[in-house]
Amino acid sequence: EAGVTQSPTHLIKTRGQQATLRCSPISGHTSVYWYQQALGLGLQFLLWYDEGEERNRGNFPPRFSGRQFPNYSSELNVNALELEDSALYLCASSRSGGARETQYFGPGTRLLVL
Amino acid sequence: KQEVTQIPAALSVPEGENLVLNCSFTDSAIYNLQWFRQDPGKGLTSLLLIQSSQREQTSGRLNASLDKSSGRSTLYIAASQPGDSATYLCAVSHAGGTSYGKLTFGQGTILTVHP
Repeated sequence: EAGVTQSPTHLIKTRGQQATLRCSPISGHTSVYWYQQALGLGLQFLLWYDEGEERNRGNFPPRFSGRQFPNYSSELNVNALELEDSALYLCASSRSGGARETQYFGPGTRLLVL
Repeated sequence: KQEVTQIPAALSVPEGENLVLNCSFTDSAIYNLQWFRQDPGKGLTSLLLIQSSQREQTSGRLNASLDKSSGRSTLYIAASQPGDSATYLCAVSHAGGTSYGKLTFGQGTILTVHP
């Protein structure tokens, strides 16, 4: 069974540009979660999508947004990039949403903003 | 607001030692607690998940315990090996409220096992 996949593996952008990160969940999983791991800040929850709907959102500005497609894959969009957006962005999926299910993580997309 | 703390921040041990990593959390209203491993620049690998009703879980050389009432968990690694070198993260899932669905992570313990 294939795990969670993310693309691209690395992304270099300049300040003010937009970045789009993609995630494909494990087959049969309907929930997708996004986390940011910035240097010195640890892993922080960004967004949770389940069945195409945004279910919860972390303490991030509105320029962080995303969506979930009918096949349960997901996109994370970051507009008006700032230098501090440089981080490893991790996607996770679970069989269904909420607290009870184990979240399985992908390898991440490393975003560098210059 | 849930806060998760891991002690120590870094640990260096010789191969073969048994070791304990600690995790504490401030809000006991958790659904479960997970221990992850992260290799440099990589994603997370789930090691053990303990439901809030459980006291411990074991997988191979790993044993994790949970004391929900005191807000503590420990990860015990037996007979450590150089391949165990990685960052170990604990995370709690929330039973409800505005934090529902998300995992709150500790800052991690960087483990180095030298031959």
